[in-house]
Amino acid sequence: AQKVTQTQTSISVMEKTTVTMDCVYETQDSSYFLFWYKQTASGEIVFLIRQDSYKKENATVGHYSLNFQKPKSSIGLIITATQIEDSAVYFCAMREGNNNNAPRFGAGTKLSVKP
Amino acid sequence: EAGVTQSPRYAVLQEGQAVSFWCDPISGHDTLYWYQQPRDQGPQLLVYFRDEAVIDNSQLPSDRFSAVRPKGTNSTLKIQSAKQGDTATYLCASSPPWGGQNTLYFGAGTRLSVL
Repeated sequence: AQKVTQTQTSISVMEKTTVTMDCVYETQDSSYFLFWYKQTASGEIVFLIRQDSYKKENATVGHYSLNFQKPKSSIGLIITATQIEDSAVYFCAMREGNNNNAPRFGAGTKLSVKP
Repeated sequence: EAGVTQSPRYAVLQEGQAVSFWCDPISGHDTLYWYQQPRDQGPQLLVYFRDEAVIDNSQLPSDRFSAVRPKGTNSTLKIQSAKQGDTATYLCASSPPWGGQNTLYFGAGTRLSVL
């Protein structure tokens, strides 16, 4: 069974710094997809970035990047040059390659970016 | 392109009452998900469909919850005899035709309070 764990409940950083949010996962599948989503204060959930398990290169989109450590079953989200508007809850999710699995989410990490 | 539409946005019930949530996915998305998000937790899968077929409803409390997607487009999630423990935000999401790397597009959610 797939499981996603985010142990950091909340993080507070100063604006323009770099922050890393942790996520570990469990799966029996050799093929899987890892996602990070952002939930704003309004409740809106949007997709940020994805890592495919078969790719060795870490994904990067804008000021978001991933630290994929497959042997540790770890997928960290790195946000560089944080902005006030990055304040939100960030969810890690995993979907196994099996056609009949839906993405499973972690509990989330609340990020506060202070001026 | 219109996003995922959910209604109502809010619902307040007494225990024992019934409620239905409606979801209109993005046009062309064959897969539709219902997630439950309790306060300060991550989204938890209830059920998901591919076209009109239920793919996984193993997490749906079958004695009181039901979900349908009769024409493979809109979907309705119904709670019979609501309990205080059902208080949560109910999220609908859709994704394009398979594959597993496809990201989810979320609606704004329905915030349910059961008194």
